[in-house]
Amino acid sequence: EAQVTQNPRYLITVTGKKLTVTCSQNMNHEYMSWYRQDPGLGLRQIYYSMNVEVTDKGDVPEGYKVSRKEKRNFPLILESPSPNQTSLYFCASSSPLVGSDTQYFGPGTRLTVL
Amino acid sequence: QKEVEQDPGPLSVPEGAIVSLNCTYSNSAFQYFMWYRQYSRKGPELLMYTYSSGNKEDGRFTAQVDKSSKYISLFIRDSQPSDSATYLCAMSVDRGAGSYQLTFGKGTKLSVIP
Repeated sequence: EAQVTQNPRYLITVTGKKLTVTCSQNMNHEYMSWYRQDPGLGLRQIYYSMNVEVTDKGDVPEGYKVSRKEKRNFPLILESPSPNQTSLYFCASSSPLVGSDTQYFGPGTRLTVL
Repeated sequence: QKEVEQDPGPLSVPEGAIVSLNCTYSNSAFQYFMWYRQYSRKGPELLMYTYSSGNKEDGRFTAQVDKSSKYISLFIRDSQPSDSATYLCAMSVDRGAGSYQLTFGKGTKLSVIP
């Protein structure tokens, strides 16, 4: 089954404690991205990657890091989380072969930073 | 003026009604237009995708794009309780080199009452 998986699905942490949210896709997609979704603000792109070892900033990259060492994985790293990073996070992937805009989203990770 | 405007609702309709969801945009460079559906506690899923002005139909769903007015719509015929979800419009522009920028509306929450 074609899918994007994220782990963990729910996470409560404290300010300053480094954390990583993993994302994996099994569709051999080149393009992967991370979004955060906040009430009243909608979905906003954090980072994206066009292929292995190629990443770039989205609209709200501050406080986040990413890496793309393998095609299937695109982890999101919060080196020193702060309360304003409490949000619902989505990973997405797509392939230009099927239209670069037809993104497939993961189930989401709800992060709370105390 | 925000790039993409979408009325957040909520919108409540009786089962069987025709639903009209709309977005306006200001960036004339947007090339691709999408509608995503997001059920509670799930990631968005692509519903409709089009790149030209006019109508595109898929079952009970019709996507309409009017580039001259910078206005897109999604119509749902014979609405069902299972259509209850948040509907997000999205638009993208090619940034070149295989990259594109995707901008989402904030979503309209729809409830279809049996």
